[in-house]
Amino acid sequence: AQKVTQAQTEISVVEKEDVTLDCVYETRDTTYYLFWYKQPPSGELVFLIRRNSFDEQNEISGRYSWNFQKSTSSFNFTITASQVVDSAVYFCALREENTGFQKLVFGTGTRLLVSP
Amino acid sequence: EPEVTQTPSHQVTQMGQEVILRCVPISNHLYFYWYRQILGQKVEFLVSFYNNEISEKSEIFDDQFSVERPDGSNFTLKIRSTKLEDSAMYFCASRDTSGRALGETQYFGPGTRLLVL
Repeated sequence: AQKVTQAQTEISVVEKEDVTLDCVYETRDTTYYLFWYKQPPSGELVFLIRRNSFDEQNEISGRYSWNFQKSTSSFNFTITASQVVDSAVYFCALREENTGFQKLVFGTGTRLLVSP
Repeated sequence: EPEVTQTPSHQVTQMGQEVILRCVPISNHLYFYWYRQILGQKVEFLVSFYNNEISEKSEIFDDQFSVERPDGSNFTLKIRSTKLEDSAMYFCASRDTSGRALGETQYFGPGTRLLVL
């Protein structure tokens, strides 16, 4: 069965600190995708990144970086030099390719509070 | 940039009433989804829809729920007789099948916050 665990319920940092959000997943599928979505206080879900199971290259986009490690079934997200605008709930999600029409299974989210 | 839209943004209804939540997916997308998020909890899959039929549904999606694509642009979620526990944010999402690198991502609408009294 597919499962996503985000053990950190809430993280508080001060602006300009680096912060890493953890995501651990479980799947029996050999082909899958991992996602991060941001949910700001306004409530919408904003897509941040997608990685497939065959691409373990880490990715950097501005202040955001992602570390995908199949050996530990983890897909962690780091924000460098955090800003107040980064305050949001961040969800990690998994989609298996061989289970029909590819629903997303979300973790419980990590609430990030960045204070000035 | 194309986006998924949802109406209304908020809806308050009385228990037992029917509600219809509306979504306009991104125009060239072929797969459509509904998810819900009870306040403070994770986002949960409800149903996926392709080629004018349900392709997968969760155990949450019982007989009180139905989906429809009444025309070429809208995708609706109907709850026939709302219960208190249906209070949640409902998200619509869509995905295309172009095979491009970003073609497999589900893009979410802004959500409809439903409150059942």
